[in-house]
Parts: sequence; structure tokens; C-alpha cells
Amino acid sequence: NAGVTQTPKFRVLKTGQSMTLLCAQDMNHEYMYWYRQDPGMGLRLIHYSVGEGTTAKGEVPDGYNVSRLKKQNFLLGLESAAPSQTSVYFCATSKDRFSGYTFGSGTRLTVV
Amino acid sequence: SQQGEEDPQALSIQEGENATMNCSYKTSINNLQWYRQNSGRGLVHLILIRSNEREKHSGRLRVTLDTSKKSSSLLITASRAADTASYFCATSDGYNFNKFYFGSGTKLNVKP
Repeated sequence: NAGVTQTPKFRVLKTGQSMTLLCAQDMNHEYMYWYRQDPGMGLRLIHYSVGEGTTAKGEVPDGYNVSRLKKQNFLLGLESAAPSQTSVYFCATSKDRFSGYTFGSGTRLTVV
Repeated sequence: SQQGEEDPQALSIQEGENATMNCSYKTSINNLQWYRQNSGRGLVHLILIRSNEREKHSGRLRVTLDTSKKSSSLLITASRAADTASYFCATSDGYNFNKFYFGSGTKLNVKP
């Protein structure tokens, strides 16, 4: 029973490189979210999905793209990484819009 | 922004004492949640309280909600060293409660 699994756990990128973060869940949850957490700023919503094939923008979507081709997977892409994207990225899922979130353990990304 | 704000930013108490954290928000909500985050880990859902509820309990946790004051409090009774963590409130968007907005958290240190 893995819950929410994020891959990779750590990554260092050079400015301008691209990468994809994977979030996989085995709970059959409809809703999936990508947040970033920066020191002293709490969590900010990047993009979210309310079901397979759907995506929507959150508070800070610029510089990121997402896809939800399969219900269990939510991918976050950085096309051209910038130092401002250095952060810890968390994926979260919820059963429905009334339920609490289940979080993954995070991906620590450093852009140099 | 709907973002909740926790108060105090940091709290240090002795084991066995009670810890109280507060959350204030700006606009109407559908529900409010509290989460715990241990250092370097993902967030763990503690309690969800709906806008028509005034108080909720879960073990040693007690959450209150005052919608007239747009505030909530989290009380941890008989605290333990293992309660040392950051605590976040998250408020749903009154119009689009697919999304939750997180505050910057209260860092609780429980000294043994």
C-alpha cells in the first residue's frame, strides 16, 4: 500500500534544462495536485487535476506544465528550469473535493 | 488571496503542556483543514472542519472554527516530544473548493 509516490526524491538541474516529476497514486483518487514549498511561504498550488484527462492552473503555474493521461499518474514538467524554481515539490491527492489530502514525501529540486 | 495565516510563527513548550495555534483567513470558506509536517517530510492530514461546524475532536487534538471572526484554532493537549513539527491550516476557496490554500505554518517545539 504505497499511497502517493513521487519520483525522483532529489534532483539538481542546470539552468535551461528540462525535467519531469512523476506522481503516482494507488488509492483511486480523482483529484491530484502539485504544490511547491519554499521557506517561510507555506505551500503554493501550481496545477491540479479533477480527473483523468483534466488539468487546471493554480496560484503559480508559470514555467510549469502538467499532464494526467492516466488516473493514477500526474506529471509535472519544467521545460526550461530557472533558479527561481528551486524548491521542494509536493504531490497530493484527494478522494473528492470535501476530503483531506494525502501527500507524497516530496521532491527536492535545485536549479543552479 | 484566501491564504490562511497561522499564529504564532513559532511556539516552544514543555512536554505535558497544551499547545494552541491559530489560523485566520480572509474570505468565506467551505471547510478548513489542519496538517502536520515533520522536518523533511510530506504533510499529514489531521482534521477537516466544515463551515457549519464549530468544534471537532480527534484524540488529543481539538479544532474550533469561528466563521464570524474568520479564524480557527488547533489545540494539542498533553503534548509530547513527538508532536514537534510544523502545523499548517488550509482553507478552501469558497467558490472553487477543489483548491486549498495553505498558510506558512506554526513551528512547534516540544521539549522533553
